[in-house]
Amino acid sequence: DAKTTQPPSMDCAEGRAANLPCNHSTISGNEYVYWYRQIHSQGPQYIIHGLKNNETNEMASLIITEDRKSSTLILPHATLRDTAVYYCIVRPPTNSGYALNFGKGTSLLVTP
Amino acid sequence: GAVVSQHPSRVICKSGTSVKIECRSLDFQATTMFWYRQFPKQSLMLMATSNEGSKATYEQGVEKDKFLINHASLTLSTLTVTSAHPEDSSFYICSTTGTGDRYTFGSGTRLTVV
Repeated sequence: DAKTTQPPSMDCAEGRAANLPCNHSTISGNEYVYWYRQIHSQGPQYIIHGLKNNETNEMASLIITEDRKSSTLILPHATLRDTAVYYCIVRPPTNSGYALNFGKGTSLLVTP
Repeated sequence: GAVVSQHPSRVICKSGTSVKIECRSLDFQATTMFWYRQFPKQSLMLMATSNEGSKATYEQGVEKDKFLINHASLTLSTLTVTSAHPEDSSFYICSTTGTGDRYTFGSGTRLTVV
């Protein structure tokens, strides 16, 4: 699996954009970048995923660099409820037998 | 989207007893279920992968005789922690591939062994 590197923690003021970086310099050409988050004492929640193009959904935007060696998850208007640990995960194309491997993630604290 | 229901959310048991955790896929057929555990302030660690109708595959260091996994149907997978000890106290989470490329997770079970 391609390894990912994320800062251990970040702070963001409520209402501002939260930009969470992830390095995945060993990513292979067919591997996707996934983002999940885990609010304390809950199961992980899917946020977004992409291959090479930037992606946007109702929760966030995902910006992947042209060389695909890094990406940024953007929460456009962070709220207190966005306080969570955010995991950037790289995995091969859909394969039902392939588990997600979680790194240490980034603990995001959104402050009033 | 796919929904996985995990029960119980919390359980306290005495040392030496067994505890069963259930994960049900409510709106799709879960051919494969993954089981994770998470110790305080740590990330999720994969314990095992189960496929419906066959034996589970355990990660290195996970005792298969202690953590019994049953995946007898496409909608139900269970994890039984046998002869639980305080060091088994952890947060246990199930996951499946659900629909499309998204992985769906249960809400987790907080196990405390006293």
